[in-house]
Parts: sequence; C-alpha cells; structure tokens
Amino acid sequence: NAGVMQNPRHLVRRRGQEARLRCSPMKGHSHVYWYRQLPEEGLKFMVYLQKENIIDESGMPKERFSAEFPKEGPSILRIQQVVRGDSAAYFCASSPPSTDPLGETQYFGPGTRLLVL
Amino acid sequence: AQSVTQLGSHVSVSEGALVLLRCNYSSSVPPYLFWYVQYPNQGLQLLLKYTSAATLVKGINGFEAEFKKSETSFHLTKPSAHMSDAAEYFCAVGGYQKVTFGIGTKLQVIP
Repeated sequence: NAGVMQNPRHLVRRRGQEARLRCSPMKGHSHVYWYRQLPEEGLKFMVYLQKENIIDESGMPKERFSAEFPKEGPSILRIQQVVRGDSAAYFCASSPPSTDPLGETQYFGPGTRLLVL
Repeated sequence: AQSVTQLGSHVSVSEGALVLLRCNYSSSVPPYLFWYVQYPNQGLQLLLKYTSAATLVKGINGFEAEFKKSETSFHLTKPSAHMSDAAEYFCAVGGYQKVTFGIGTKLQVIP
C-alpha cells in the first residue's frame, strides 16, 4: 500500500505566479489535511477536507489560497499570486474513514517545498 | 478551543541518557493525544497516540508517553537515547474538528 504521495517535492515560483500542490492520499483514505511548516514555527493547520467537501478551513488565509478534494483525483492546494512569505514546506496528511476522525492516525506525505523568488 | 505547549524547542542529551520531551495540552473535551517524529526533509510519522485507553502508551523505537489528566501533560520518554533518535518531535491534540500540533522540539543526541 503506497503511502501519501505529494508532488512536486520542490516547486519554485516567481512572485505573482500560481502554485499548485497535489496530494494523493493513501488508498482507502477519505480525509485529507493540509499543513504549512515554517522554520521555527512548527506545523500550522490549514484545511481539512473529505471527498468533495471542505470540513474546516479555519487555518487557510482568506485570500489567494484554496483547496479541493474532488471525487476523483488528488487533493489540490492552490496558491494564487504567490508572495515571498508563502515560501514554506506544505504537508498533506490523510486518515481513513472513521466515526471519530480526530482519533485516527494521520499519515503524512513527504511535503512540497515551495520557494518564491 | 485547544492548544499544545511543548517546553523546550531544543533538547540535547548524551547517547544512552534518558530522553524527556515535555508536552502540555489544553482541551475542554476529552482529548486524543499524539506524538509524531520528523526526520530531516521528510513528513511526520506517528510514534504513539493516546485515545482514552491505558494512560501509559508505548510507541515505536522504545518511546512511551504517560497521559496525566491532573497535570494536563503527555510527556514523551525513552530510557536510553540512540543517535538515530535525533529528529524533531511534535506533540498534538485532537478535538474540535482538527488536530493541533505543538511547535516541535528538536532533539540532539551527543555521542
């Protein structure tokens, strides 16, 4: 069973461009989480999605950031008009269907390291 | 609301010495508690988790953690540090529709 896949692993963008980060959850997992990690700042929750639904986006910046998890295909984190402050590692995690997903182990991908020039 | 406080962003221990990484949480619902480890340039992986069963939880690589409700703590310990334990460790609490991670503690193991 393949783990959580993220691509690309490294992404370089110039200010003003768009960044698209992809996450394929583990087989059978229907919950996806996105986190941002900045040096010395730990892991910050961004958004929690289930198939075709955003459950909690309280950690997402109000502008330029969006996320989706379509019925088919990977989850996408999209950052429009990137700025230097968006440079960070973005991690995706997935967990299986559960009546209580917050007690489930989250399985993390290797991350996408975004550098904005 | 919920939060996690990890005391000490950097901890150094000698090889063979006790490892103690501190975590205190705040949650007004019965919490789920986790410890994850992150090696350089990798994602996080689960060390252990507490889900209201036994208060002493054993994890992988010889780590264990004890849930103490009266102290709102979930400290991570290992009796004898190994060089391969050098990594960053994250405590997390689950509840209120999301899992909240602490800021992380970088463990350095000195030969």
